[in-house]
Amino acid sequence: QKEVEQDPGPLSVPEGAIVSLNCTYSNSAFQYFMWYRQYSRKGPELLMYTYSSGNKEDGRFTAQVDKSSKYISLFIRDSQPSDSATYLCAMSASGGYNKLIFGAGTRLAVHP
Amino acid sequence: IAGITQAPTSQILAAGRRMTLRCTQDMRHNAMYWYRQDLGLGLRLIHYSNTAGTTGKGEVPDGYSVSRANTDDFPLTLASAVPSQTSVYFCASSEERDQPQHFGDGTRLSIL
Repeated sequence: QKEVEQDPGPLSVPEGAIVSLNCTYSNSAFQYFMWYRQYSRKGPELLMYTYSSGNKEDGRFTAQVDKSSKYISLFIRDSQPSDSATYLCAMSASGGYNKLIFGAGTRLAVHP
Repeated sequence: IAGITQAPTSQILAAGRRMTLRCTQDMRHNAMYWYRQDLGLGLRLIHYSNTAGTTGKGEVPDGYSVSRANTDDFPLTLASAVPSQTSVYFCASSEERDQPQHFGDGTRLSIL
């Protein structure tokens, strides 16, 4: 079993929808959580990062961590076609955001 | 524009050949990393360097070597390429080892 599980999708939504992207994990020591967006044939682009539990909001994006359920989410409000990409979650246990363990990514398509 | 430059962007290589992937960053980040990305497996850490002059092994280091002679450059060498090393390779950096990582746009490598 992988340490970090992520539904590969594809997830297809209409423009303007609220998108929920999720990851589950098995290692209760994970404390640092990150979300990256990756466009086709490009490198991952850092979207958000959080430490421990709780919510963090940045514009249309909200990251949520539920350590009791070993579950993290990324919500995208008012989704746009430009949000169409693969979204990667990543996490690490200690010492900050190094030694990251990545999910395999969820492909999102937002259609006009 | 500040960032990470990887070269080449793509390469086809015969098995058994030696290959060095180049990575240069101009952000004066202390920590640098090499990942490989394979379909369904996500990003996996190959080697890392927390500061110039030091390197460490990641999750999948076999068949790869790195050096960190200065802050800006972190080359990855395949001494004798094998087909299982066909992948997309990403270089990343962070200001310090405990800070979020930023990625280059990758090198697509095919070993025949």
